Amino acid sequence: GAVVSQHPSRVICKSGTSVKIECRSLDFQATTMFWYRQFPKQSLMLMATSNEGSKATYEQGVEKDKFLINHASLTLSTLTVTSAHPEDSSFYICSAAAGTSADTQYFGPGTRLTVL
Amino acid sequence: GQSLEQPSEVTAVEGAIVQINCTYQTSGFYGLSWYQQHDGGAPTFLSYNGLDGLEETGRFSSFLSRSDSYGYLLLQELQMKDSASYFCAVRDRTGGFKTIFGAGTRLFVKA
Repeated sequence: GAVVSQHPSRVICKSGTSVKIECRSLDFQATTMFWYRQFPKQSLMLMATSNEGSKATYEQGVEKDKFLINHASLTLSTLTVTSAHPEDSSFYICSAAAGTSADTQYFGPGTRLTVL
Repeated sequence: GQSLEQPSEVTAVEGAIVQINCTYQTSGFYGLSWYQQHDGGAPTFLSYNGLDGLEETGRFSSFLSRSDSYGYLLLQELQMKDSASYFCAVRDRTGGFKTIFGAGTRLFVKA
């Protein structure tokens, strides 16, 4: 199946700093990428949907100024957590779809963010 | 909006068959997917139903009834390694075919 990578896999940062997470589709062009957040023992919560070359669509309750999403190419989307705080500590997972009507989303391995 | 319901926890023994049910409510239903997630890992895709009926992939099968807004995942010949969380997820055509996940069912397989 298609491969999606995320970098870094783990990051620890101090409160107040910004962290960038990359999501890459390695062997296909991803028209649409999705960003999820998962707290321990909870489900995946969709944060935003990003389409290449356009602004991301954020889910209700997700601060767009805090979670900056850029989908500059068909193989790369980035999520920047700005001014991170301990409550932002979570597992961040991206997924990519080849087309808006694709049956399957391919998930990245996730990035575990710990904010001290 | 969308909502999904699935049991929070299921326990079964090795070799048994287990069925995890999922009911959903969404205005732009496109399809139902199932994902497996082991502790500390990312979700892995198991199965997808866009049309009514049964899809079989090895030991795993998934069923969908769109008229009942209901689906299930069937796991046969359970193995210890099947202990994981299983999520049903609705693909919704509104807002760009986003996928909304259920709360997950924790499956414990005992010897």
